[in-house]
Amino acid sequence: DIQMTQSPSSLSASVGDRVTITCRASHTISSYLNWYQQKAGKAPNLLIYAASNLQSGVPSRFSGSGSGTDFTLTISSLQPEDFATYYCQQSYSTPPTFGQGTKVHIK
Amino acid sequence: EVQLLESGGGLVQPGGSLRLSCAASGFTFSNYAMSWVRQAQGKGLEWVSGFSGSGAGPHYADSVKGRFTVSRDNSKNTLYLQMNSLRAEDTALYYCARTYEPSNGWFNWFDPWGQGTLVIVSS
Repeated sequence: DIQMTQSPSSLSASVGDRVTITCRASHTISSYLNWYQQKAGKAPNLLIYAASNLQSGVPSRFSGSGSGTDFTLTISSLQPEDFATYYCQQSYSTPPTFGQGTKVHIK
Repeated sequence: EVQLLESGGGLVQPGGSLRLSCAASGFTFSNYAMSWVRQAQGKGLEWVSGFSGSGAGPHYADSVKGRFTVSRDNSKNTLYLQMNSLRAEDTALYYCARTYEPSNGWFNWFDPWGQGTLVIVSS
């Protein structure tokens, strides 16, 4: 199985900050990388698919980049509603696997 | 509006069985792959099983292979997960999710997700 490792595991940031979360795959996965946001007590929500494609309805302050083994999720200007846990997920091979999550806290 | 509604969770003893259901609406269910993804309390996400929408059948994580069976009834727009020989480590919130499947049995991203049904395996 392909292992996905996110960094950091948690971070503290203020409203308006630029936030970057990194995801690394144990094997090359081309651009088969997706990002989800999960708020407390809620189901995950797809933000980015295929590394850099913004899902419909997701604010443009979210962006994704990368290919191969290293990927990044960027929030250009953190908003109050963005405090949540973010997960990456590879879809290069079955089983699809997730990173351990990055929790974004209010500073 | 796409909706997914899970049911069937509950408290079960180790070694016991449970069947989860996921009722879908708002899209042509038969055209899509569907998956089960679980999340233990305070932990991350683990894909459990998926059923192809293009004839490639079911797929399972190694952790549940031989114990869980996924099936679907396209006439009822419902996905099922039969869970047998349950263990304490199967305790989790189980989500169903519509799954993008660009080719047979290749599960890409999950969107949307239901709200989940809680399974607790404990004596």
